[in-house]
Amino acid sequence: GAVVSQHPSWVICKSGTSVKIECRSLDFQATTMFWYRQFPKKSLMLMATSNEGSKATYEQGVEKDKFLINHASLTLSTLTVTSAHPEDSSFYICSAGDTFSYEQYFGPGTRLTVT
Amino acid sequence: GIQVEQSPPDLILQEGANSTLRCNFSDSVNNLQWFHQNPWGQLINLFYIPSGTKQNGRLSATTVATERYSLLYISSSQTTDSGVYFCAVASSNTGKLIFGQGTTLQVKP
Repeated sequence: GAVVSQHPSWVICKSGTSVKIECRSLDFQATTMFWYRQFPKKSLMLMATSNEGSKATYEQGVEKDKFLINHASLTLSTLTVTSAHPEDSSFYICSAGDTFSYEQYFGPGTRLTVT
Repeated sequence: GIQVEQSPPDLILQEGANSTLRCNFSDSVNNLQWFHQNPWGQLINLFYIPSGTKQNGRLSATTVATERYSLLYISSSQTTDSGVYFCAVASSNTGKLIFGQGTTLQVKP
């Protein structure tokens, strides 16, 4: 199956700083990628749709100025958490699908801790 | 938007037992996937099954799209099957997956 990677796998940052998370599709091209957030013992919540070459589409309630998304190529999307605060601490997961089916493949996730 | 409900929320089994997990959804879908989330958080694709029946080893899944539900069968469960099982659906060409709340499975030796 298709492989999606994320980097870093975990990060600790201080309050007020910004953190960038990368999501890469390793063996296929993805015009669309998705970013999810998961709190402990909870389900995944869709944050935004990342579109190659255009602006991201954010779900209701997600601050676009807080969570900046850039999809600069067909294999890379980045999520930047700006001016991070402790409440931004969470598990962030990306997904991508190939163009021939609707099936989505997920990255291993990034655990963010803001102190 | 589309609603996804999974049952049961928690399940405890003895090793070797069989189980059935259910996923109900509120609208027609063009994608339905079952995942197993391992202890490190990685979502493992089990099945892509918007309709029909598939089998992979001890796991099988059936989606009855007209009745808006899907079932995941685990036979001869093993301790390594423990974890959270998610059902996720998409109802439009956007590809956006909406997740159910998951079923937490614990298989005891």
